[in-house]
Amino acid sequence: DIQLTQSPSFLSASVGDRITITCRASQGIGSYLGWYQQKPGKAPKILIYAASTLYSGVPSRFSGSGFGTEFTLTISSLQPEDFASYYCQHLNNYSTFGGGTKVEIK
Amino acid sequence: QVRLQESGPGLVQPSDTLSLTCSVSGSSINKVEYYWGWLRQPPGQRLEYIGSIYYTGTTYYNPSLKSRVTISVDPSTFRYSLHLSAVTAADTAVYYCARRSTGWFYFDIWGPGALVTVSS
Repeated sequence: DIQLTQSPSFLSASVGDRITITCRASQGIGSYLGWYQQKPGKAPKILIYAASTLYSGVPSRFSGSGFGTEFTLTISSLQPEDFASYYCQHLNNYSTFGGGTKVEIK
Repeated sequence: QVRLQESGPGLVQPSDTLSLTCSVSGSSINKVEYYWGWLRQPPGQRLEYIGSIYYTGTTYYNPSLKSRVTISVDPSTFRYSLHLSAVTAADTAVYYCARRSTGWFYFDIWGPGALVTVSS
């Protein structure tokens, strides 16, 4: 089984900050990595798929990069609505998810 | 606009079978571009994939749950269902139904989620 490890688990930041979240895969997965945003009590929303492709309607301050075993999600300028949890997902028929990163207001 | 909605009992007895239905509106289930999936999230924990089904009936299940899971689909009623047998307290979670792209495997449309508690 491929495991996904996210870091950090918690991140305190201010509006306007640039933040980066990392997701590491236990084996190479090419570009088959997605990122989701989840707010309390709500279903996740897809942000990025294929490691770096922005899903339709997602603001351009979100970006993704990486290939193989190491991937990053970057928010270039944190907005108030971005304080949420973020999850990476291995994109295949047996999807696994990372443990999540909670982004909190500093 | 495509919408998904989970429905089913919010409380299930230990050792019983958990059954949920996902109702799809705004789209046919007979779409070649999509699978229809189930995921869950125990309180305070990460998301867990349960399984997915294609309109033809082809399924993919999480290997760790495969022995207890059945997902079925009825395109004529715009519904698909989840059955999870022999539940324990560890199966307490918010259960989501979600549409999955066949191309890149991401889940793009989700239901709001249904909390299912396993308890006597």
